[in-house]
Amino acid sequence: NAGVTQTPKFQVLKTGQSMTLQCAQDMNHNSMYWYRQDPGMGLRLIYYSASEGTTDKGEVPNGYNVSRLNKREFSLRLESAAPSQTSVYFCASSGGGRDTGELFFGEGSRLTVL
Amino acid sequence: RKEVEQDPGPFNVPEGATVAFNCTYSNSASQSFFWYRQDCRKEPKLLMSVYSSGNEDGRFTAQLNRASQYISLLIRDSKLSDSATYLCVVNEVFHGQNFVFGPGTRLSVLP
Repeated sequence: NAGVTQTPKFQVLKTGQSMTLQCAQDMNHNSMYWYRQDPGMGLRLIYYSASEGTTDKGEVPNGYNVSRLNKREFSLRLESAAPSQTSVYFCASSGGGRDTGELFFGEGSRLTVL
Repeated sequence: RKEVEQDPGPFNVPEGATVAFNCTYSNSASQSFFWYRQDCRKEPKLLMSVYSSGNEDGRFTAQLNRASQYISLLIRDSKLSDSATYLCVVNEVFHGQNFVFGPGTRLSVLP
């Protein structure tokens, strides 16, 4: 019962370095999401993918790129990391459709940019 | 103005107390509503959906008032294990789904 798996769980980067956060779900969900969570801010949507082959910007997309590689996988890339991107990143998926409300989250990736 | 607002908290209550959380949302076109629970340094997990008629799950009762754009969560007979952050979540469905999260209200249940 893996659900949503994201890697790595922890990462420390220097300013300007790049990295990719990987996310995979085994629930055959159409929709996948990347959020960041900062103290006092709640979760903010970075990018989402309503279905395989489509991606859309969320509330805070600047500095990030995404790839919906297939139905299972949705990756988030930081091309040139900045200290402002220090955060906890959560990948999530949902079944899609108007009546499907539950988001399933990965365990989170804690990123520190020095 | 934030799209989803919650009581700032934290709430510190004794075991057995009843505690209520409030949430307001700004988008009148929002379609569905939820309460999620997040334990410290963990991922959020669905606590319950919120329906227009109100719904109850054991010690937890959720209410929705669409006219006032207001959602509530009531926890009765609180337990130590209820200590967590409670997130109000609103789903604005358009061509996909857009889940908008409130900042959360932290609850500490004290022995």
